[in-house]
Amino acid sequence: SQQGEEDPQALSIQEGENATMNCSYKTSINNLQWYRQNSGRGLVHLILIRSNEREKHSGRLRVTLDTSKKSSSLLITASRAADTASYFCSRQGGSEKLVFGKGTKLTVNP
Amino acid sequence: NAGVMQNPRHLVRRRGQEARLRCSPMKGHSHVYWYRQLPEEGLKFMVYLQKENIIDESGMPKERFSAEFPKEGPSILRIQQVVRGDSAAYFCASSPAGTGGYEQYFGPGTRLTVT
Repeated sequence: SQQGEEDPQALSIQEGENATMNCSYKTSINNLQWYRQNSGRGLVHLILIRSNEREKHSGRLRVTLDTSKKSSSLLITASRAADTASYFCSRQGGSEKLVFGKGTKLTVNP
Repeated sequence: NAGVMQNPRHLVRRRGQEARLRCSPMKGHSHVYWYRQLPEEGLKFMVYLQKENIIDESGMPKERFSAEFPKEGPSILRIQQVVRGDSAAYFCASSPAGTGGYEQYFGPGTRLTVT
């Protein structure tokens, strides 16, 4: 499979804790994008990280990329109940289509 | 600037009927992508279109499915003779350009239920 695979599949934490989600892929990429999806809703774009970048920040989000290990991680610091959602990584390689994994379902308990 | 619009949001069809899903990209975006999501799964790419052109349809089933993005009007994903297995959420995304790795902005999706 050429899909990105997120790990863990499910994560449950308390408000205020940090949440780390990982993503692995198999083929070379131009960039990797993280999305959030609330239950029954569309996807919200979080961060795009290009293959020549190692780390990007956006507010409480930090994304790292290790192309030698073909992996990326998404860190959400000081989590809130509103962060409860599914998080997907998607890779973009030689074509324009995004290849998604199955996602990590994050639950932040108040 | 309105986001990506999709309609209808929910669509119920009986087996054998046709389903038409519409997508209006963000203003200024000329690239449209369709994805399908089964319950508890990630999104699967179906087709990538520019105005009046299909660029990549490698994810489209060979039969019953077609897509278009005319010069005027929304992009249409058409499913003929629907079967229960077509029940899924169909998402459209748009981007301002195709090359260089631009963010794709997603619509709210159309949830198709085939009874």
